[in-house]
Amino acid sequence: DAGVTQSPTHLIKTRGQHVTLRCSPISGHKSVSWYQQVLGQGPQFIFQYYEKEERGRGNFPDRFSARQFPNYSSELNVNALLLGDSALYLCASSLLGDDTYEQYFGPGTRLTVT
Amino acid sequence: ILNVEQSPQSLHVQEGDSTNFTCSFPSSNFYALHWYRWETAKSPEALFVMTLNGDEKKKGRISATLNTKEGYSYLYIKGSQPEDSATYLCAFTSGTYKYIFGTGTRLKVLA
Repeated sequence: DAGVTQSPTHLIKTRGQHVTLRCSPISGHKSVSWYQQVLGQGPQFIFQYYEKEERGRGNFPDRFSARQFPNYSSELNVNALLLGDSALYLCASSLLGDDTYEQYFGPGTRLTVT
Repeated sequence: ILNVEQSPQSLHVQEGDSTNFTCSFPSSNFYALHWYRWETAKSPEALFVMTLNGDEKKKGRISATLNTKEGYSYLYIKGSQPEDSATYLCAFTSGTYKYIFGTGTRLKVLA
């Protein structure tokens, strides 16, 4: 079975641009979460979606938005990119939206903002 | 502000040694604690999800305990092997669909 997949693997953008990151969960998983990981820190929670509804949001500005599609895949959008948005963006899926279910992580998208 | 702390930040052990790390989290509004192993150039891998005070979980040579009243969890590795080298992360949740991760413990097992 395929694991969680993310695209693209790497991305270089310029300040002020917009970026869309994509995530496909494990087949049958209905919940997707997004995280930002900066070197030396643990992953920072951005969003959780379950059944196409936003269930949780971390302390990120409104420049960050996301959505989940009927096939449970998800997109993370970041507008007006800042240098500080450079990070590894991780997507994780779980079977249901309850926090007691294991999360399965994708390989991440490395975003560099210049 | 909820904070999750892990100690030590990094650790070098010899092959065959047993070791343990600590994850400290808020003792109020506890719902679940997750442990992950993150090897370089790979995705974080789920190890355990712990929900009840006094929980003990085991997977091969790795085990974990949970104390929700005092807000800590221990992860133990028995007979460390070079393939155990990784960053070990814990994540706390109060059931509000938000996860708070610690900064991790970086383990290096020397052959």
